[in-house]
Amino acid sequence: AQTVTQSQPEMSVQEAETVTLSCTYDTSESDYYLFWYKQPPSRQMILVIRQEAYKQQNATENRFSVNFQKAAKSFSLKISDSQLGDAAMYFCAYRSEYGGSQGNLIFGKGTKLSVKP
Amino acid sequence: EPEVTQTPSHQVTQMGQEVILRCVPISNHLYFYWYRQILGQKVEFLVSFYNNEISEKSEIFDDQFSVERPDGSNFTLKIRSTKLEDSAMYFCASSEFGGSSYNEQFFGPGTRLTVL
Repeated sequence: AQTVTQSQPEMSVQEAETVTLSCTYDTSESDYYLFWYKQPPSRQMILVIRQEAYKQQNATENRFSVNFQKAAKSFSLKISDSQLGDAAMYFCAYRSEYGGSQGNLIFGKGTKLSVKP
Repeated sequence: EPEVTQTPSHQVTQMGQEVILRCVPISNHLYFYWYRQILGQKVEFLVSFYNNEISEKSEIFDDQFSVERPDGSNFTLKIRSTKLEDSAMYFCASSEFGGSSYNEQFFGPGTRLTVL
């Protein structure tokens, strides 16, 4: 079974600085997808960024980028130029490509990010 | 922008009672999901639903749980006889596509279920 581990329960960053959130996962599959979701306080989870395992190039979405290391099974999220609105719980998630899955996600425990003004 | 909505935001019930959690997915979405998060633990998959039937379910989703799409817009999760360990945040999600790479799941804000 696949597992996702986020080893940082809480992180803090100064506004305008850069922060990296860690995620590791365990799988025996070669094709899969990885996601970072953001959940602001009392709000919905929203997708921040996704990475297909077959792609070597790291995904980037504006100030958000990932460092995908397939061999190491590592998928970290880098937030550049942090803003107060980035304060949220961040979840790393895995989705299998196989097994007739309709796409259910396997989540990590989350990292609570605080942004200091 | 369309959103997934869930009601109620907080439900308190007595052990052994039945509860129904409601979700309204995004209107053109075809795939629906329930997840739950026990306080301090991971978000866990419960069930996926497509074409009016369960596609996949986890070990958590036992006979006490059921899902339904009663009227083409609502998607409900019923817990027949609640236990203390059912206390959790329950998230509904929907997606336009299923297993493809474009399967972005849109989540609702969650229903906090407290079983006393």
